[in-house]
Amino acid sequence: DAKTTQPTSMDCAEGRAANLPCNHSTISGNEYVYWYRQIHSQGPQYIIHGLKNNETNEMASLIITEDRKSSTLILPHATLRDTAVYYCIVRVTTSGTYKYIFGTGTRLKVLA
Amino acid sequence: KAGVTQTPRYLIKTRGQQVTLSCSPISGHRSVSWYQQTPGQGLQFLFEYFSETQRNKGNFPGRFSGRQFSNSRSEMNVSTLELGDSALYLCASSPGQGTYEQYFGPGTRLTVT
Repeated sequence: DAKTTQPTSMDCAEGRAANLPCNHSTISGNEYVYWYRQIHSQGPQYIIHGLKNNETNEMASLIITEDRKSSTLILPHATLRDTAVYYCIVRVTTSGTYKYIFGTGTRLKVLA
Repeated sequence: KAGVTQTPRYLIKTRGQQVTLSCSPISGHRSVSWYQQTPGQGLQFLFEYFSETQRNKGNFPGRFSGRQFSNSRSEMNVSTLELGDSALYLCASSPGQGTYEQYFGPGTRLTVT
């Protein structure tokens, strides 16, 4: 199964862009990269996902390198409410079924 | 739409007992996945059910089992509880399999004493 590697923690100033890296060097060609975040005591919340191309939605942007071995989640203007643990996940496909392999996550602290 | 609900929210059990946790997915969602979250191991996939069939299973012992009903509600059962089973158990639902995002419930915090 593909694994992801993320920095344990990061700080970001409020209003600045938060760039969260993820390494998934063993990812296979049909495996998607997902990002979720978990705010203390809550269930994880979906942010964005992608396969090859860069993706953007109202919450964030996802930049995937051409070789697909790494990606970066960008929160364009971080707020205090973005303080959370961010998980980079690979969705593994096995015989037509899917499961999500969570990394250890990056604890992002947005500073006022 | 109501979100994913899990009951109970908190549970304390004794070693050797068994426990059943319940998950009600978002209306219309047919896929339910279960995860175990602990400080040491992080979030680990337990199993996924789709249309009452277990479609995928993580690397957990047979003491962990689950089922899904015709209304998509799901239960997971842990038998012969061990201290190491203390964790936050999360349920997630999605419309189906594929590139759908998963919507997580608040979790059930199980403490085994």
